[in-house]
Amino acid sequence: GDSVTQMEGPVTLSEEAFLTINCTYTATGYPSLFWYVQYPGEGLQLLLKATKADDKGSNKGFEATYRKETTSFHLEKGSVQVSDSAVYFCALNWDTGTASKLTFGTGTRLQVTL
Amino acid sequence: EAGVVQSPRYKIIEKKQPVAFWCNPISGHNTLYWYLQNLGQGPELLIRYENEEAVDDSQLPKDRFSAERLKGVDSTLKIQPAELGDSAVYLCASGPGTYTGELFFGEGSRLTVL
Repeated sequence: GDSVTQMEGPVTLSEEAFLTINCTYTATGYPSLFWYVQYPGEGLQLLLKATKADDKGSNKGFEATYRKETTSFHLEKGSVQVSDSAVYFCALNWDTGTASKLTFGTGTRLQVTL
Repeated sequence: EAGVVQSPRYKIIEKKQPVAFWCNPISGHNTLYWYLQNLGQGPELLIRYENEEAVDDSQLPKDRFSAERLKGVDSTLKIQPAELGDSAVYLCASGPGTYTGELFFGEGSRLTVL
């Protein structure tokens, strides 16, 4: 079945460091890909998405490119801030016609220090 | 605009006791989801509703779990009787019913079974 594999955390970085969180997926065909973020004490929220190969999703300085050849959707940010400390979830979704059915990875905790 | 509201936020019960969680989705969202999130894991779908119809409940342990969405708005997830292994966070999410891949999550209900 479909699955998403993320790099294990926690990832600890100093402020202004470069961030990469790896995500690869296994699926038959070409699903849509997402990054969700969960800040402390808050619900999951969509960070960015890409719906087809070679698309780049971006938001709040974060970027991820849908790579069909490597079945990957790595999350990157050039300069992290303390406020980026959160748990990041990679997810895939199939078009079910009228609704979404997300399959999530296990999450990667990011801790940014001053 | 109000987000997805869940209650209670925290619940501690003895094993074999019943427990219920309530979810109020975003107004106008006709799809509603219940996810289970174990510690250190990504959310896993329990049940998906389109309006008042459960269209995917294949992952719901029906021997002890039940859910309902009367009138296609609020939803309740019940566990009876609870087991130690049910300790987790129960997430509710809603979506607009058109394919966007974006779900809106509540803050979750954390269950501890002693």
